[in-house]
Amino acid sequence: EVQLVESGGGLVQPGGSLRLSCAASGFTFSTYWMTWVRQAPGKGLEWVANIKQDGSEKYYVDSVKGRFTIFRDNTENSLYLQMNSLRAEDTAVYYCARIRGEGERYRALEYWGQGTLVTVSS
Amino acid sequence: DIVMTQSPDSLAVSLGERATINCKSSQSVLYSSNNKNYLAWYQQKPGQPPNLLIYWASTREFGVPDRFSGSGSGTDFTLTISSLQAEDVAVYYCQQYYSTPPTFGPGTKVDIK
Repeated sequence: EVQLVESGGGLVQPGGSLRLSCAASGFTFSTYWMTWVRQAPGKGLEWVANIKQDGSEKYYVDSVKGRFTIFRDNTENSLYLQMNSLRAEDTAVYYCARIRGEGERYRALEYWGQGTLVTVSS
Repeated sequence: DIVMTQSPDSLAVSLGERATINCKSSQSVLYSSNNKNYLAWYQQKPGQPPNLLIYWASTREFGVPDRFSGSGSGTDFTLTISSLQAEDVAVYYCQQYYSTPPTFGPGTKVDIK
């Protein structure tokens, strides 16, 4: 059974940093593109970033470029999102998701974690 | 970036009746080399993560009831729930994965009338 479990969320002050983790199990993690998607309270879904199987390609939504870094550790079956210079508008539930289809980038998001809440506030 | 719009914002349908949600993309998401529409539909119930219902615009994900169907091509798409059940109360999102960044529609809330 595929499982994605996020952790690392919490309350942080504006300008602060946080690292989110996503522990993956039930599939061969190293063969899939992985994604972070966020959802502000009461709002819709926003794609944040994705990363290739070997970490050699990474893509970000414009609003987080230069502040967030996606990376992965295939030996630990884990995905990460390092978030720096956090702003109030980054407040959201952050979901880790697996792209449907081994080795594929342009695919739907087949499996999602339960999410971890990040609150940026003073 | 491709902008996704959905209509209506919300709808209320009687149990057993049909619910129809529309999604439009600001540019075509049909990839000519494989004739596939890079369009997905997700269902999100309160307090839960999104759940993939439909991909390639019309292919039902494994385990999704056949009352859910997707149609359309190019820039105009539809999600149809043929006979609404109580457990279908949720927000539904379309998403294009044709280009980066992948973008979602704003969502359509479906309730029971």
